[in-house]
Amino acid sequence: DAGVTQSPTHLIKTRGQQVTLRCSPISGHKSVSWYQQVLGQGPQFIFQYYEKEERGRGNFPDRFSARQFPNYSSELNVNALLLGDSALYLCASSFREETQYFGPGTRLLVL
Amino acid sequence: GENVEQHPSTLSVQEGDSAVIKCTYSDSASNYFPWYKQELGKRPQLIIDIRSNVGEKKDQRIAVTLNKTAKHFSLHITETQPEDSAVYFCAASQLIFGQGTELSVKP
Repeated sequence: DAGVTQSPTHLIKTRGQQVTLRCSPISGHKSVSWYQQVLGQGPQFIFQYYEKEERGRGNFPDRFSARQFPNYSSELNVNALLLGDSALYLCASSFREETQYFGPGTRLLVL
Repeated sequence: GENVEQHPSTLSVQEGDSAVIKCTYSDSASNYFPWYKQELGKRPQLIIDIRSNVGEKKDQRIAVTLNKTAKHFSLHITETQPEDSAVYFCAASQLIFGQGTELSVKP
């Protein structure tokens, strides 16, 4: 039984570039959430999608966007990258709005 | 919006001792409170959760208590072992996380 998967595992970008991160939820899970985790801090909520609809948005600028596809996979896009966007980006899936299971994360470094 | 405060930020105990981590939340409508363990370089893993209609839940050496009136909940780990060393996060309403507690269990 496959868990949540994310790609790529690591990414290096330069300031001003754009990045797309991908997430595949556990089979049968319809909700996907995205988090940013800076070293030494707790995960910060970015977006939640359920049944392809945005259900929640955290306190992040409009440079961050996301979508969920008919197969419930999801993409997180970040435009005009800043040095401060360097972080571990976590995706989590859940059957409904309760127990979440996290993917391994994508580690983004912005130079 | 919801805000979660977690204390302490670091906790060091001797093997076999108990460890307690406390969280407070602001939104009285919150009804789901999970706890996660994150080892260095790994993903957060759910270790226990509690819903607002329950005051206490226990799973072997781990227990969580919830006081809805005071809007705080706590994680209790008994008979700590070196492998319990990790960062622990509480969360409220599934999505809002505390700042984390780095637990170190010394043999």
